Amino acid sequence: EVQLVESGGGLVQPGGSLRLSCAASGFTFSSYWMHWVRQAPGKGLVWVSRINSDGSSTSYADSVKGRFTISRDNAKNTLYLQMNSLRAEDTAVYYCARDGVGWDWGQGTLVTVSS
Amino acid sequence: SYELTQPPSVSVSPGQTARITCSADALPKQYAYWYQQKPGQAPVLVIYKDSERPSGIPERFSGSSSGTTVTLTISGVQAEDEADYYCQSADSSGTYQVFGGGTKLTVL
Repeated sequence: EVQLVESGGGLVQPGGSLRLSCAASGFTFSSYWMHWVRQAPGKGLVWVSRINSDGSSTSYADSVKGRFTISRDNAKNTLYLQMNSLRAEDTAVYYCARDGVGWDWGQGTLVTVSS
Repeated sequence: SYELTQPPSVSVSPGQTARITCSADALPKQYAYWYQQKPGQAPVLVIYKDSERPSGIPERFSGSSSGTTVTLTISGVQAEDEADYYCQSADSSGTYQVFGGGTKLTVL
């Protein structure tokens, strides 16, 4: 069974940094592209970033380009999202997702950017 | 930026058919996927590659594609189908992923 467990969310001040992790199990992590998607309170899903299976290629939504960095450690079966220069509008539940036949999702971790 | 357009809401009575559309210029070139999301839960895939249904998803869920529009159809809607539904696809280059704004399905 595919399992994705996000962690690292919390309360951070504007301008601060946070690193999210997504621990994967139940599948061969190194074979799959992975994504981060966020959902602000009461709003829709917004794609944030993706990384290919070996970590050599990444892409980002314009809203986070230059501030967020996606990475992965295939030896640890873990996906990361380094978030810098955080803004109030980055407040959201952040989901990691496996790109297979459609996407499989974790349960999400809440990031709150507030002073 | 590339956008997928969905109606904000659809309402149907139990047993009726609900149709939720999703439109964008690149849809003839890129597959569309549909996700169901209930309050406080993660999204769940209900249709992939425009019209394929994952195992475990009831047969009343189906998908179709015509030109720049894809449609999620739920036949014989049940109360448990009340949820937000999102279409998802990619831009024409396949580089950027995008979600529609979501459609709230209300079962009257």
